[in-house]
Order: sequence, then C-alpha cells, then structure tokens
Amino acid sequence: EADIYQTPRYLVIGTGKKITLECSQTMGHDKMYWYQQDPGMELHLIHYSYGVNSTEKGDLSSESTVSRIRTEHFPLTLESARPSHTSQYLCASSESGTGTKAFFGQGTRLTVV
Amino acid sequence: GESVGLHLPTLSVQEGDNSIINCAYSNSASDYFIWYKQESGKGPQFIIDIRSNMDKRQGQRVTVLLNKTVKHLSLQIAATQPGDSAVYFCAENRGNTPLVFGKGTRLSVIA
Repeated sequence: EADIYQTPRYLVIGTGKKITLECSQTMGHDKMYWYQQDPGMELHLIHYSYGVNSTEKGDLSSESTVSRIRTEHFPLTLESARPSHTSQYLCASSESGTGTKAFFGQGTRLTVV
Repeated sequence: GESVGLHLPTLSVQEGDNSIINCAYSNSASDYFIWYKQESGKGPQFIIDIRSNMDKRQGQRVTVLLNKTVKHLSLQIAATQPGDSAVYFCAENRGNTPLVFGKGTRLSVIA
C-alpha cells in the first residue's frame, strides 16, 4: 500500500465556508497532484507540484489554491465553497523523472450545501 | 486536442473467463501508459504500466498490450474473479507531464 493520506475522508460544509483538504505522503516524492473526480467519471488534474515552492494549475479550471511548503505536504484550499465544488478530490504523488507511476490517497468526498 | 479514452464504458464477464479492457490514445508522442483499478469509495490503485519501447508486459494475472501503430492499449485479466469488479482507467504520461486519464470502464464479474 502507498503511504499517502488524505483528511478528511468526508466533509459536508455550508456555502461560503473556507476549507482546506489535507494531503501528506511519507515516500519522499517530489511530485504531487490533485485530481477532481465526479462519481463514475474520469479524473481531471486541477493542480500539481514538482517540488517545494513550485505549484502549477492543471487542465481543469479550479477556484482552489494549493501550497507546497514541505515536500511531504500538499494542501488544497477553497476560500469560499459553493455547491458546484461538490465532488471527490484525489491526491497523488510520484517520484521524479519521466514515466513514473502515481500513488493515490483514498480521496476526500466534499459536499457543499 | 490530445486525449486518452476507452472504447466501452461497461463490461460484464463470467467468473473464470478472461477480461479485455481497451483504451485508445491520440498523441503519438505518448511514451508511458498505466492501468489503474478503482474500487468504490477508494482511490485508484496501480495495476501495471508499460513504456512505449515495449509492446507487451505481464504481471500477476494481468497483461498489458500496446499497439503504437493504431494507438491502442489493452488490459487483459486472466481468470476474472469477483474481486476484480471495479472501474479500470488507463492513463498516459508524456515525458515529465502529469498523467492524463481516460473515461474508465466498469468491469462487473458475474458469479
């Protein structure tokens, strides 16, 4: 099993609230990713980081932000949650270099009411 | 634009039979391909990968085939078991870019 952890597993929150989804990995991976996935659908990349103090936006437009202050930690923040943010958020990490497999956390299922 | 997709959204297989899940990709520059299995309520789990300089790779009960001529990838599962029921995603990785995922195929195993 991969050592990558996401908290919380489930979150129900009201519109307008600020939330932070946590992701930590203990494998020393330089690369980390956030994907968004609606039920039964494909994964869409929303943010990624190839190292400390390096973050990039993914293909899917997102109102979230990320930070990478420590190698092992890659939190995702929504400043003002909306019902359209309801989805599953998956964090992943991989080693540096080309053609490296990504290991995923269990995901956070977010519901904004 | 570039994309990774799957031919069939659902697949039902009798227990003990072999399963074949297909995937098409459009970018000839893709050089690394991965299959993931996702069970309900869990994150994707790595199954097997293959680089573009290979056309076949085998694991435990699984085989991945890569046909670069027609840009096609397949996952074969031998002697399919109820525990194989899940959604299967192919993903591709070009150089140092993040993985791009296809739409997924739901595999249902009939006991």
